[in-house]
Amino acid sequence: DTAVSQTPKYLVTQMGNDKSIKCEQNLGHDTMYWYKQDSKKFLKIMFSYNNKELIINETVPNRFSPKSPDKAHLNLHINSLELGDSAVYFCASSQGWTGLILEQYFGPGTRLTVT
Amino acid sequence: AQSVTQPDIHITVSEGASLELRCNYSYGATPYLFWYVQSPGQGLQLLLKYFSGDTLVQGIKGFEAEFKRSQSSFNLRKPSVHWSDAAEYFCAVGKLSGAGSYQLTFGKGTKLSVIP
Repeated sequence: DTAVSQTPKYLVTQMGNDKSIKCEQNLGHDTMYWYKQDSKKFLKIMFSYNNKELIINETVPNRFSPKSPDKAHLNLHINSLELGDSAVYFCASSQGWTGLILEQYFGPGTRLTVT
Repeated sequence: AQSVTQPDIHITVSEGASLELRCNYSYGATPYLFWYVQSPGQGLQLLLKYFSGDTLVQGIKGFEAEFKRSQSSFNLRKPSVHWSDAAEYFCAVGKLSGAGSYQLTFGKGTKLSVIP
């Protein structure tokens, strides 16, 4: 069973469109994350989310919004796509703070190409 | 703010040779440190982590890392590299970011190439 899955794996779209990337985890974790990996392989946190709060990295444009229908899913919606949004987007999950920081488990990534 | 530096962008080693990938961090408190590996076209897989205790930690695939507080380093090592170890390696530091969540700050990665 895949622990953290993302769909689609590849997404090609035009500037100005709105798109969503889905993420599901079957690990029973209560915290999920979105990361962006740019063309130079640099990984940066975009959001972390659990049932308590949403933490947004201040550099993320408000065109990006995470939506969580339930604890096992955290989808990423992107409005008015721009060329600079082209990247690989990774979803991750972890158990929430229990006194120790536990590792995050990553999905396979979604390669978004904006033309 | 926390930061992670991986000084080596690209390292090439011969199969069977030893490996050391460098990682330096900047963090005001006791760091939570991780090494992840990313094979081409794949997601990230955790190799090992350090929270506290023994400063030499063992991970999967024969990797180990040593935490040195005095040098703010967490270098990854492997005594004998296999061709399948060719990948991108990321060092990361974790920081609590709110009620029940934390965020990873990654270094820019080191690409490892292995010569047969």
